Amino acid sequence: EDQVTQSPEALRLQEGESSSLNCSYTVSGLRGLFWYRQDPGKGPEFLFTLYSAGEEKEKERLKATLTKKESFLHITAPKPEDSATYLCAVQPNSGGYQKVTFGTGTKLQVIP
Amino acid sequence: NAGVTQTPKFQVLKTGQSMTLQCAQDMNHEYMSWYRQDPGMGLRLIHYSVGAGITDQGEVPNGYNVSRSTTEDFPLRLLSAAPSQTSVYFCASSWDRAGGELFFGEGSRLTVL
Repeated sequence: EDQVTQSPEALRLQEGESSSLNCSYTVSGLRGLFWYRQDPGKGPEFLFTLYSAGEEKEKERLKATLTKKESFLHITAPKPEDSATYLCAVQPNSGGYQKVTFGTGTKLQVIP
Repeated sequence: NAGVTQTPKFQVLKTGQSMTLQCAQDMNHEYMSWYRQDPGMGLRLIHYSVGAGITDQGEVPNGYNVSRSTTEDFPLRLLSAAPSQTSVYFCASSWDRAGGELFFGEGSRLTVL
């Protein structure tokens, strides 16, 4: 069974204090690993897809990286508007969306 | 540019009542799906559709029914609501039928008393 574990559950940062969120996964052949951002009371918003170990993607202050066992979402010099819950999900080679497993998320709070 | 639109945003039901959560997308996406999100759990797939007239069950389909008569609409029906169905429901769609990024609606918060 595919598994996704995100850590920490919650993270509080001062504005400008860089850090990383972790997504550990086990999957029988990775088709893709996805990062989403979810604001309170809203639906998840797509950020990145990573397909193979060593791949990196960036968007503003966010950079996602991937190894064979985990992915990191690095946040550089965060701002209060980066406060949100960040979700990780994996899709195996063997199935479509019905096989996607979501993690429970990391709730990030950035304090001015 | 509406994207994925869900209605209602909030609903309170009594046990045994039925209702329909509406979902519409204007992006001409073939794939549509319904998820539920509960505290301490990841998003769980209820039902999905890869095109008009085609639906299939996800991880937690019991107590829910769907149909897909048009590309744009994918309603979720609760047949006889139970307190265990208290949750936040999200509709999602994608241009890729096989997998990839999902576009989510803003959610419908359902409370069953």
